[in-house]
Amino acid sequence: QSVLTQPPSVSVAAGQMVTISCSGGSFNIGNNYVSWYQQSPGTAPKLLIYENNKRPSGIPDRFSGSKSGTSATLGITGLQTGDEADYYCGTWDSSLSAWVFGGGTKLTVL
Amino acid sequence: QVQLQESGPGLVKPSETLSLTCSVSGGAISSSGRYWGWIRQSPGKGLEWIGSVYYGGTSYYSASLRSRVTISIEASQNQIFLRLSSVTAADTAQYFCARHVGIAAAGGDFYIGVWGRGTTVAVSS
Repeated sequence: QSVLTQPPSVSVAAGQMVTISCSGGSFNIGNNYVSWYQQSPGTAPKLLIYENNKRPSGIPDRFSGSKSGTSATLGITGLQTGDEADYYCGTWDSSLSAWVFGGGTKLTVL
Repeated sequence: QVQLQESGPGLVKPSETLSLTCSVSGGAISSSGRYWGWIRQSPGKGLEWIGSVYYGGTSYYSASLRSRVTISIEASQNQIFLRLSSVTAADTAQYFCARHVGIAAAGGDFYIGVWGRGTTVAVSS
């Protein structure tokens, strides 16, 4: 059971937008920055969003992040087949003194 | 550009100790001011954080693995090591080396900026 809760899967048509939620608590999301990672099939995870809403260089602005209270959201617009991947949220948990991941969300682009 | 490369035996027997190496290129661990960690992913499952250490400083480990895991750094070789003792089939996974950005438990930004490609380890007799 993950400390951070994500929907197991989402399916959205190509060209549309999707949001993926990540729900936690006061000791993790509530008081720490959230980052998001994309893991395409057969590859290592890649940083997508850091500091709640910042994109590393090379990540298109179709990807966005936000945080409110103890929840965070990843948004992807103009969905492409290449966006099909597993997406994970992550943050530090101050109570556990541990890094925590969400369970991951499998995105299918129809 | 920092790159990470994991290596180690692909097969380990039950009850033995799993030992992996992460070789760092493109930057010196000793002067990086970074946390270095290991994450694993069991077949068909999500990411599981194992632990993260700061060169010459604090170490943090997953509570579920703390009694069996040690992460160490050999700065002279620019390598990070993972040792996991008393392995069982449940430790079969792909193991990733990672470099954090930021300082753990400091309240500021802290995330995983660089990932290795991973190495697969199976536990079987």
